[in-house]
Amino acid sequence: AQSVTQPDIHITVSEGASLELRCNYSYGATPYLFWYVQSPGQGLQLLLKYFSGDTLVQGIKGFEAEFKRSQSSFNLRKPSVHWSDAAEYFCAVGAFGNQFYFGTGTSLTVIP
Amino acid sequence: GAVVSQHPSWVICKSGTSVKIECRSLDFQATTMFWYRQFPKQSLMLMATSNEGSKATYEQGVEKDKFLINHASLTLSTLTVTSAHPEDSSFYICSAREAGIASNQPQHFGDGTRLSIL
Repeated sequence: AQSVTQPDIHITVSEGASLELRCNYSYGATPYLFWYVQSPGQGLQLLLKYFSGDTLVQGIKGFEAEFKRSQSSFNLRKPSVHWSDAAEYFCAVGAFGNQFYFGTGTSLTVIP
Repeated sequence: GAVVSQHPSWVICKSGTSVKIECRSLDFQATTMFWYRQFPKQSLMLMATSNEGSKATYEQGVEKDKFLINHASLTLSTLTVTSAHPEDSSFYICSAREAGIASNQPQHFGDGTRLSIL
């Protein structure tokens, strides 16, 4: 069965520090992977996506993610976190069809 | 581009009333729209897939008579929560996929509607 796991419910980092948010997936075929960010009370904004090709993908706001098939992972990274990055982050797997499977999210707190 | 507008953003109503939430694609046509429900501190759960001009497809466990979905045009889908009760209070989010775009492309999300039933 398809599933997405985000092991870290909550992460706290200092402003300027590096960030890595973990995402592991279970999917029977080649996955289409996405990272979304959600600010409180708002919808989701797409940060980046991976379909095929280069396993390191660049997104908006300085984020990047690396697809590792052997580890079934798609971790999100940012070299230097800004206070405005504080939000909820969701990893999602898209099936060829319509279904999206979301992880439970990781809440990011940024300390000044 | 690819803006999805959801209205209202917040609604409070009495138990037993029906509430309609609109989801509009402002600058693109969306043959498929999706309705999600999100409980506090939890992930999004797909409720139903709405296809323009046809009946919605509901996920297992979602009452189709409770959550009425209409997708009458390529830019508008509506979710009506009928006879709403406090347990229906939640954050409802819609998303849309552009017409003619492969189904593996990302969905564009609205800003959500916070529904509070008293």
